[in-house]
Amino acid sequence: KAGVTQTPRYLIKTRGQQVTLSCSPISGHRSVSWYQQTPGQGLQFLFEYFSETQRNKGNFPGRFSGRQFSNSRSEMNVSTLELGDSALYLCASSPPATDTQYFGPGTRLTVL
Amino acid sequence: AQKVTQAQTEISVVEKEDVTLDCVYETRDTTYYLFWYKQPPSGELVFLIRRNSFDEQNEISGRYSWNFQKSTSSFNFTITASQVVDSAVYFCALRTGRRALTFGSGTRLQVQP
Repeated sequence: KAGVTQTPRYLIKTRGQQVTLSCSPISGHRSVSWYQQTPGQGLQFLFEYFSETQRNKGNFPGRFSGRQFSNSRSEMNVSTLELGDSALYLCASSPPATDTQYFGPGTRLTVL
Repeated sequence: AQKVTQAQTEISVVEKEDVTLDCVYETRDTTYYLFWYKQPPSGELVFLIRRNSFDEQNEISGRYSWNFQKSTSSFNFTITASQVVDSAVYFCALRTGRRALTFGSGTRLQVQP
């Protein structure tokens, strides 16, 4: 089975721009979660989607949003980028009836 | 509130040494799940193990072993006969109910040849 895939792997943007990151879960997984990883704050939860519905949300400003499609693929969007948004964004998917999350390789976003 | 503490920021060992990574957790829930993940330089978090709060049995998988003790709220991870390929950042994480994973700050393990 293919693992979680994330595109793009690397991205460079400038302040004020917006960005969309994509995540394709493992086949059969319907839950997708997003995390932000920075050297200062570590791994922080952004949001979780299940069957196209946001099931859980972390403590991030409204500039961070996401959605899930009927094929379980998910996107997250960050508008009006700030320097502090530079981070590794990790997506994880979970199979039904389990709490184990399997992570993708991440998208490294650099905001200049 | 949930919290995971990994007090060891960085550990350096020589190949073939045994090494233990500590993890202490806090939660008021009686049902919870504990995890260990490995993050090599490539960045992907690799799932290693999941343990639920009702199963205190220790587990061994090859050179890896885990010691779960509810009495001390600890879930420690031991690598026996470490190898250079074990060099990575290791994260302990906690999940309760429908909440997201709460991660510790990670322990960077460097195994010198």
